[in-house]
Amino acid sequence: DARVTQTPRHKVTEMGQEVTMRCQPILGHNTVFWYRQTMMQGLELLAYFRNRAPLDDSGMPKDRFSAEMPDATLATLKIQPSEPRDSAVYFCASGFRQITDTQYFGPGTRLTVL
Amino acid sequence: QKEVEQDPGPLSVPEGAIVSLNCTYSNSAFQYFMWYRQYSRKGPELLMYTYSSGNKEDGRFTAQVDKSSKYISLFIRDSQPSDSATYLCAMKGGGATNKLIFGTGTLLAVQP
Repeated sequence: DARVTQTPRHKVTEMGQEVTMRCQPILGHNTVFWYRQTMMQGLELLAYFRNRAPLDDSGMPKDRFSAEMPDATLATLKIQPSEPRDSAVYFCASGFRQITDTQYFGPGTRLTVL
Repeated sequence: QKEVEQDPGPLSVPEGAIVSLNCTYSNSAFQYFMWYRQYSRKGPELLMYTYSSGNKEDGRFTAQVDKSSKYISLFIRDSQPSDSATYLCAMKGGGATNKLIFGTGTLLAVQP
């Protein structure tokens, strides 16, 4: 049963600390997305990659957020320095280019910045 | 104004009721319309997908798209307690981009 995995599932940190979230997309998928979900804003797209190349990161605060895909099996989202307003659930999703563009979501990383 | 508007609910119905969930949107370029279901503390999962206008049925679920009114709906027949979740609409244009625009979700509770 192929699925997207994310680590850690929960993270509590103090303001100013670096946070790194990891995602393993489904094998064979060539598109990876990072989303942030909050009660107020819902699901917001932060960045996405196709074939490991960043295609769009316009949703990401550039001064503190960075996203990379060092290889086809790993995507990372880093926040440095973290701020309380970054508290949210961060989802990774993967998919492959097809008409439906179905995205398969991971379980999310619940981040709390104190 | 957001591109996609969705009533956050919560919506509470008795078991067996017909549920109607709706979204409105402003971008006439949207062509692909989806409904995702998200259980508490889980990631969203694709429930229904529709291209352009019309209806699509899958078991107890029916998705409707009215592009002239920029309005989409998801109907759930014979609702079950296991349908209790947040339902998110999502949509995208027909271009090469994979970017989905999501509604904020409607929380549904089906009471046994």
